[in-house]
Amino acid sequence: EPEVTQTPSHQVTQMGQEVILRCVPISNHLYFYWYRQILGQKVEFLVSFYNNEISEKSEIFDDQFSVERPDGSNFTLKIRSTKLEDSAMYFCASRRGVTDTQYFGPGTRLTVL
Amino acid sequence: AQTVTQSQPEMSVQEAETVTLSCTYDTSESDYYLFWYKQPPSRQMILVIRQEAYKQQNATENRFSVNFQKAAKSFSLKISDSQLGDAAMYFCAYRSRINTGTASKLTFGTGTRLQVTL
Repeated sequence: EPEVTQTPSHQVTQMGQEVILRCVPISNHLYFYWYRQILGQKVEFLVSFYNNEISEKSEIFDDQFSVERPDGSNFTLKIRSTKLEDSAMYFCASRRGVTDTQYFGPGTRLTVL
Repeated sequence: AQTVTQSQPEMSVQEAETVTLSCTYDTSESDYYLFWYKQPPSRQMILVIRQEAYKQQNATENRFSVNFQKAAKSFSLKISDSQLGDAAMYFCAYRSRINTGTASKLTFGTGTRLQVTL
């Protein structure tokens, strides 16, 4: 069964460094998402992406964040200058059509020191 | 904006028993989807069940079923014949069904941690 994959599973970085989190959505899916979950808290929406552009973004998704679908298969989240409070689990999700369910990847645990 | 509330931070059930997790939501929309996702200790988000608001019939998936009360804006999850593998965090989530051509985000509740005891 096709699934969303994410790499790396765990990333440790120093405050102020740039990180890129990678996702490979399910191949025939058209809508892509990033969510984050700070430890012990609920899952929060960051950004949605469709037709090669951002559809919606939350107030969390400020200028330090960017997303890209560079090659038709990968979907990346870049954090330009990480802060301690960016430490969280980051989930990628995708869905095929407007009425379909979102499927989540296994997450990338980001630790900012 | 839509909100999702899960008022039970933790629940416990004995193996083979039945447990019900509560979820309420607030929306002004009439057409939407509701979901239950399971998050085991691995922290992967796994879809448990989905309900379309326009369907009166409650969704079921094997041992999992929902009680969807649209007027009350309530969406509870019933787990029958609980198993040790059901122990996890359970999140209720809402998504608009408005077909505007833009992608719709999921709005999650705060989760209920389910313990399964022998």
